[in-house]
Amino acid sequence: SAVISQKPSRDICQRGTSLTIQCQVDSQVTMMFWYRQQPGQSLTLIATANQGSEATYESGFVIDKFPISRPNLTFSTLTVSNMSPEDSSIYLCSVPEGDYGYTFGSGTRLTVV
Amino acid sequence: GESVGLHLPTLSVQEGDNSIINCAYSNSASDYFIWYKQESGKGPQFIIDIRSNMDKRQGQRVTVLLNKTVKHLSLQIAATQPGDSAVYFCAETNTGGFKTIFGAGTRLFVKA
Repeated sequence: SAVISQKPSRDICQRGTSLTIQCQVDSQVTMMFWYRQQPGQSLTLIATANQGSEATYESGFVIDKFPISRPNLTFSTLTVSNMSPEDSSIYLCSVPEGDYGYTFGSGTRLTVV
Repeated sequence: GESVGLHLPTLSVQEGDNSIINCAYSNSASDYFIWYKQESGKGPQFIIDIRSNMDKRQGQRVTVLLNKTVKHLSLQIAATQPGDSAVYFCAETNTGGFKTIFGAGTRLFVKA
């Protein structure tokens, strides 16, 4: 299965600032996915990142708040912009695995103060 | 380190006992289900999957049961070990293409 390197693993940020999270995959993949995992909750899909086109955002998530880059088939970034304490979460990237499963990165634990 | 889900349902079992983790899924059109394990500080990892044309599937020390009538999925872990301590998520999808939905998760504590 694919191996994903995600960084940073954690960060504490001041409100109003932005943080960019990076995911590097050890193989070429068409789609990459970005998830948010709020404290005590499950995973919520933010957007699907496709190489060569704009990301597709889920309801409740917008490009201005969560801009995504996908410059090639092995790399993607998610930026959390103009952060507030409500953005404190774990952010995860993932890629398809097998028929319908996913492989996940190790996550970025973000705390906004 | 800090845990993933501070307020998740919790199951506490004695080492060596069997564990059963339950999940109610939401969409009757879902036809493919996966259980994931998430240890502290890590991303979810695939454990086992099952298609809707089956009602039981076994792996190494794990068994998944599917009851489509009541939209219920369970994960059974035999001879639970301390290394099984984690948050477990079920996920449902439809192979025709709708997005995967992750369940709320259950935290498993294994007492030595």
